[in-house]
Amino acid sequence: AQKVTQVQTEISVVEKEDVTLDCVYETRDTTYYLFWYKQPPSGELVFLIRRNSFDEQNEISGRYSWNFQKSTSSFNFTITASQVVDSAVYFCALSSGGSNYKLTFGKGTLLTVNP
Amino acid sequence: NAGVTQTPKFQVLKTGQSMTLQCAQDMNHEYMSWYRQDPGMGLRLIHYSVGAGITDQGEVPNGYNVSRSTTEDFPLRLLSAAPSQTSVYFCASSYSRDSSSPLHFGNGTRLTVT
Repeated sequence: AQKVTQVQTEISVVEKEDVTLDCVYETRDTTYYLFWYKQPPSGELVFLIRRNSFDEQNEISGRYSWNFQKSTSSFNFTITASQVVDSAVYFCALSSGGSNYKLTFGKGTLLTVNP
Repeated sequence: NAGVTQTPKFQVLKTGQSMTLQCAQDMNHEYMSWYRQDPGMGLRLIHYSVGAGITDQGEVPNGYNVSRSTTEDFPLRLLSAAPSQTSVYFCASSYSRDSSSPLHFGNGTRLTVT
């Protein structure tokens, strides 16, 4: 069985602070994909990033960065200089065996960025 | 491209009523799926389809039916609504069933069963 644990249920920060959302996963497969999705207050789900199990390179996209560490089974998401528009629920997800119907979502982290 | 379109956005049903949640995508995606989102539970897979004419059950299929007669459409039917089916429902699609293809989500349907 596979499992995704999002360590923080809720985080509240003040604008311009850096914030890290932690995601820990469990799987027995050697091939898997990890994802982050964003759900802003308007409700839609937006894909942010995908990583496969063979690529441990960290990634940076503007103010967003992702740290993938197989040794600790973690795929953490950092927002630098947070903004009010970053307020959302963020979901980490794991797909073992490479199939979308085996996609397991974490329960989400509610990030509130206060002005 | 409209992407993934779900209708209706909101629906209130009485216990025992049936209804169909519509989902359509215009991206020629092979894979389509339905999730429900409940507070503190994340998203859970109800049913999925890997192509026209092919459907299968996900984690929480009881009380729901699906069909996939065309590539574009993947309706979700509630046979006899129950209060436990009060939830937000999301339809999602991807180019292939392979996880190298990320999911594209619709805007959701908020369903209340009284």
